[in-house]
Amino acid sequence: EAQVTQNPRYLITVTGKKLTVTCSQNMNHEYMSWYRQDPGLGLRQIYYSMNVEVTDKGDVPEGYKVSRKEKRNFPLILESPSPNQTSLYFCASSPRLGDTQYFGPGTRLTVL
Amino acid sequence: QKEVEQDPGPLSVPEGAIVSLNCTYSNSAFQYFMWYRQYSRKGPELLMYTYSSGNKEDGRFTAQVDKSSKYISLFIRDSQPSDSATYLCAMSLLPGGSYIPTFGRGTSLIVHP
Repeated sequence: EAQVTQNPRYLITVTGKKLTVTCSQNMNHEYMSWYRQDPGLGLRQIYYSMNVEVTDKGDVPEGYKVSRKEKRNFPLILESPSPNQTSLYFCASSPRLGDTQYFGPGTRLTVL
Repeated sequence: QKEVEQDPGPLSVPEGAIVSLNCTYSNSAFQYFMWYRQYSRKGPELLMYTYSSGNKEDGRFTAQVDKSSKYISLFIRDSQPSDSATYLCAMSLLPGGSYIPTFGRGTSLIVHP
């Protein structure tokens, strides 16, 4: 089944404790991206990747890192999480930049 | 002014009603328009997309684009309780410009039996 998976689905952590949210797609898509979704603000792009080893900042990259060492995986790293990073995070992929995107199920992160 | 404006609702309608969901945008270079549906606790899923002005129909759903007014709509006929979800519009530029889609904030739709 073609899908985008994210782990964990739910995470509660404390300020400053490094964490990684994994994202994997099995559709051989070139383009992957991370979004956060907050009430009243909608979906905002954090980072995106056009292919392996090619990443770029989206609208709200501060406090986040990403890597794209393999085509299928695009982990989101929070080196020192803060409470303002409490949000619902979505990973998405598409065959190419500009094509319609397939979203993962979301990761609800709470930073205390 | 946000590039894409969308009323967050909630919009509450009885089962069987015709629903109209709308977005306005400010960037006249947008050429590719999408509607996503997002159920509670799920990721957005693509519902419809269109490249041009006019109407595109798919079952009970019709997407309408009016580029002259910078206005897009999604109509749902014979709405069902299972249509209750948040609907997000998204749009992007075509080759020659940025491809990164811009999303609206989403409209929450509640269809009650």
